[in-house]
Amino acid sequence: QSVLTQPPSVSGAPGQTVTISCTGSSSNIGANYAVHWYQQLPGTAPKLLIYGDNSRPSGIPDRFSASKSGTSASLAITGLQAEDEADYYCQSYDSSLSGFYVFGTGTKVTVL
Amino acid sequence: QVHLQESGPGLVKPSETLSLTCTVSGGSISSDYCLWIRQAPGKGLEWIGYIHYTGSTHYNPSLGSRFTISMDTSKNQFSLRVRSVTGADTAVYYCARSRGHYTYLRFDPWGQGTLVTVSS
Repeated sequence: QSVLTQPPSVSGAPGQTVTISCTGSSSNIGANYAVHWYQQLPGTAPKLLIYGDNSRPSGIPDRFSASKSGTSASLAITGLQAEDEADYYCQSYDSSLSGFYVFGTGTKVTVL
Repeated sequence: QVHLQESGPGLVKPSETLSLTCTVSGGSISSDYCLWIRQAPGKGLEWIGYIHYTGSTHYNPSLGSRFTISMDTSKNQFSLRVRSVTGADTAVYYCARSRGHYTYLRFDPWGQGTLVTVSS
């Protein structure tokens, strides 16, 4: 039951910048809970890409950046590369009901 | 480097119980949140629940009460049981770990995932 909404797909040419939005509500992103982002390459498990709104784990290139404002967050990929073609998911905590972890609906990034 | 590996049957009959185990290597789960996430074919990610190293558990309230997560710290393993499975439980099941405050949990690392098909 995704409560974080992402565009189904975005695309860009190599070298371009693409941005993925993640829209939530007052019980998750709007409540200032941290947003994390994951990259899922075809046929593989998701991998943590961004944590704590805008921090990169070691090994993640600085082409990936993220931000958060109000009830939304966004992930930007600059200098798009063929290897960035994957599904991307945002994730946060939601305090409604008894509290749970929510993922975004997912966005497929296509490198043209 | 911490590594997680799921194991269990790939095929389960409707109405039976699905059991999966996640074995953690390269680090102890004695300070962790141990989580299960699933992904139905062609669909997005769905958090199932977690067990904390203290033994406390928490489940996705939208999934009902068929799910049970347990932990064996002596084996560095944790498990998932799903009772009365249906076709809607067909998915790739991932285990993952996390640390920190429960409102700040990010899932890292993940296991490679195991596909479970519910079919007679």
